[in-house]
Amino acid sequence: QQQVKQSPQSLIVQKGGISIINCAYENTAFDYFPWYQQFPGKGPALLIAIRPDVSEKKEGRFTISFNKSAKQFSLHIMDSQPGDSATYFCAASSYSPYKYIFGTGTRLKVLA
Amino acid sequence: DTGVSQDPRHKITKRGQNVTFRCDPISEHNRLYWYRQTLGQGPEFLTYFQNEAQLEKSRLLSDRFSAERPKGSFSTLEIQRTEQGDSAMYLCASSLGAGSQPQHFGDGTRLSIL
Repeated sequence: QQQVKQSPQSLIVQKGGISIINCAYENTAFDYFPWYQQFPGKGPALLIAIRPDVSEKKEGRFTISFNKSAKQFSLHIMDSQPGDSATYFCAASSYSPYKYIFGTGTRLKVLA
Repeated sequence: DTGVSQDPRHKITKRGQNVTFRCDPISEHNRLYWYRQTLGQGPEFLTYFQNEAQLEKSRLLSDRFSAERPKGSFSTLEIQRTEQGDSAMYLCASSLGAGSQPQHFGDGTRLSIL
């Protein structure tokens, strides 16, 4: 119930294309869903986050789509660039201590 | 906003030695978290502080691990009698406010056990 399942494990996209990463959860008590980007040797950096009272949130080239009934959410990266090549993690949190449960990560490679 | 700072960035030690890591959260952030990340995996929660109080510890945190956050500012994570399985990246994150909030991560301490 505490798991967050993330797919695909790896993704290769052409420059200018759309990258889509999916996550699914079981625990309906989760109330906050962030996405993080991580480069080798660095800590995760917050990209964008959503709460379950909205179905979509957009910030620049990054969009989260959220389907509460299906218990799924996804990250869309529009106009993908080589600089977007990194590992992406979805996460979920709920009630105290509001710890994050992370997905297993998606390694994205954007070809120039 | 100077971000979350962790020290050292890398630590190499022999099995059986004790190690201590430090985390300086974003100032005014009342919550501080420790996570552990192994290669190819997402971070896993270890422990959480609200101000100076340690409010939750994961089952991953054996009795060889201890964490403190004196005066609700910086935090330390100590591992005693290190084992090969302790090799990982140890990440610190901080957040502010009530309810589920954005957590801001440091760049971690990479621990290697020889």
